This record gives sequence, structure tokens and C-alpha cells, in this order.
Amino acid sequence: ETGVTQSPTHLIKTRGQQVTLRCSSQSGHNTVSWYQQALGQGPQFIFQYYREEENGRGNFPPRFSGLQFPNYSSELNVNALELDDSALYLCASSLGGTSGYNEQFFGPGTRLTVL
Amino acid sequence: EDKVVQSPLSLVVHEGDTVTLNCSYEVTNFRSLLWYKQEKKAPTFLFMLTSSGIEKKSGRLSSILDKKELFSILNITATQTGDSAVYLCAVERGGKLIFGQGTELSVKP
Repeated sequence: ETGVTQSPTHLIKTRGQQVTLRCSSQSGHNTVSWYQQALGQGPQFIFQYYREEENGRGNFPPRFSGLQFPNYSSELNVNALELDDSALYLCASSLGGTSGYNEQFFGPGTRLTVL
Repeated sequence: EDKVVQSPLSLVVHEGDTVTLNCSYEVTNFRSLLWYKQEKKAPTFLFMLTSSGIEKKSGRLSSILDKKELFSILNITATQTGDSAVYLCAVERGGKLIFGQGTELSVKP
């Protein structure tokens, strides 16, 4: 177990609604990355937050937005939900700000179903 | 466009078999390649490879990277039912991970 927690575990929404997913990073980590994993696919990078600032974004529309708080926990917000947003949303925490790759530790994910 | 491709997409073997999973990539500014095992939800880290030709080993699992031909393989010897999972390959680029679609391995008793 990595110490990265996510809530809720499961969520069911309808098209057009808005959703907020939460992630608590591992102690001592200052970077959170969010990924979307559709069924049968690998995770796709959404964006990354480092010390409360967005630090890179993947190919996702602006209705996907995020926040990172002073304690380095993070939220992913999705507006105007579409059926294709149904997926497992993973967050990963790491210690950024150093040279080289810093291992990302994944949380258990939030399974979002959009009806 | 950056791309990571895994093959096969799925594989069914029997306990005791040896399997080889493949990962090829086309990623600019490559820094490292990582392998993860995903059983239910959270991917768990297996290996990180940065140098060509140096094999990483952990028990029955091993992996090697070829930076000239832009691919990596993950070998699992003497497979067990507990090895059943999705194996993900990812390339690290600027602190972000670019994943392949995964190989679903099923080990039958």
C-alpha cells in the first residue's frame, strides 16, 4: 500500500453533471499527477500539479480542471460530463523538484460511471 | 506524436510457462521506461530502465531495454496464478508517464 488515498471509490453520475474527485498524496510528496484509464486501455495523463501550480497537461479539454492545496492534496473536477468520461481515475504522488525521474506512487483510483 | 505500443494485448498461459511481454516506443526526449503490474486498481511499480542492455531482475521477473531499437521486454519465468494481471509499460517524459495499452496476462492452474 502506497499511502496515496482517493475518494470516493465509486461514483455514478448522469450526462451534463459535474464531479469532483479527491486525492491525498503520500506524506512528504509535493507533486500529484492525474490519469484517466478507460476500460481495456492504459492510463492517459490528464495533468500534474507541483506545489499548487499546474505543471503540464495532457490532451484533455478545459472542462477537466484541477487544484492542489497547501497540504499537497488535490482535486480533479470534470464539468459537463459525457458518456466517454466513464473510466477509472488514478492519481499518483511523487516528490518533484529534483533532477531525474521521481517514482510515482498510485492511489487505488475512483471508478466513475456516467449514464 | 509520442506513442507506446504493447504486445500482445492479451495472453493465456499455464502455470510454469515462461512469458515475454513486449513494449515499443516512439517518444521524444526519452528518459526512462517503466513497467507496472495492475491487478485490480492501483498500478504497482516493477522496474525502471534507463540504460540499454542492462537487465533488471526481481525474482522470476526480468526486463531489458534496447534504446537503439526503441523497445523493452518483460520476462516472467515459471508463471504462477498470482502473476495474472495487466502489465503496463510507460515511458517517462518530463516527469509525466506515457502508457501503453497494457498486456492482460491470465495464468491458468
